[in-house]
Amino acid sequence: DAGVTQSPTHLIKTRGQHVTLRCSPISGHKSVSWYQQVLGQGPQFIFQYYEKEERGRGNFPDRFSARQFPNYSSELNVNALLLGDSALYLCASSFSSASQPQHFGDGTRLSIL
Amino acid sequence: QKEVEQNSGPLSVPEGAIASLNCTYSDRGSQSFFWYRQYSGKSPELIMFIYSNGDKEDGRFTAQLNKASQYVSLLIRDSQPSDSATYLCAFLHPLSGGSYIPTFGRGTSLIVHP
Repeated sequence: DAGVTQSPTHLIKTRGQHVTLRCSPISGHKSVSWYQQVLGQGPQFIFQYYEKEERGRGNFPDRFSARQFPNYSSELNVNALLLGDSALYLCASSFSSASQPQHFGDGTRLSIL
Repeated sequence: QKEVEQNSGPLSVPEGAIASLNCTYSDRGSQSFFWYRQYSGKSPELIMFIYSNGDKEDGRFTAQLNKASQYVSLLIRDSQPSDSATYLCAFLHPLSGGSYIPTFGRGTSLIVHP
């Protein structure tokens, strides 16, 4: 079975642009969470979606938004990119809520020039 | 602020030794604890999860949880060079509506030398 898949794997943007990152969960998983990981730190929680509804939001500005589709895939959107948005963006899925162990995709490495 | 504290290391152990990784957490309401392994440039990989006080063993890995002391540890027996990675501790804290979100520590770098 396929694991969590994310696209693209790498992305280079400039300040002020916007970006859309995509995630497909493990088959049968209905919950998707997004994380930002900068070098030397653990993943920081951004959003959790379950059954297409936002269930949790971390301490990130409104430039960050997300949604989940009927097939449980998800998009993370970031507007007005800043240099500090450069990071590895991770998607994780679980069967129900985040109380289940989460399984991570390989991530999207976003670089802002 | 719910926090997880880990020593960033690096922790260096010889091949075949026991590696002991430790984590403390601030949220007394936490019920679930996880250990992830992350190789450089890769995404985190779930190794163990533990919900109850005591020990949980899986192969060469043992997770230990002490809720009274707000302490969770991971022991790796017969350490191998392939175990060299960053180990992330995470716990769940509940949100309203029945969801939970994980809070991760910054990770401990483990180096197993031949």
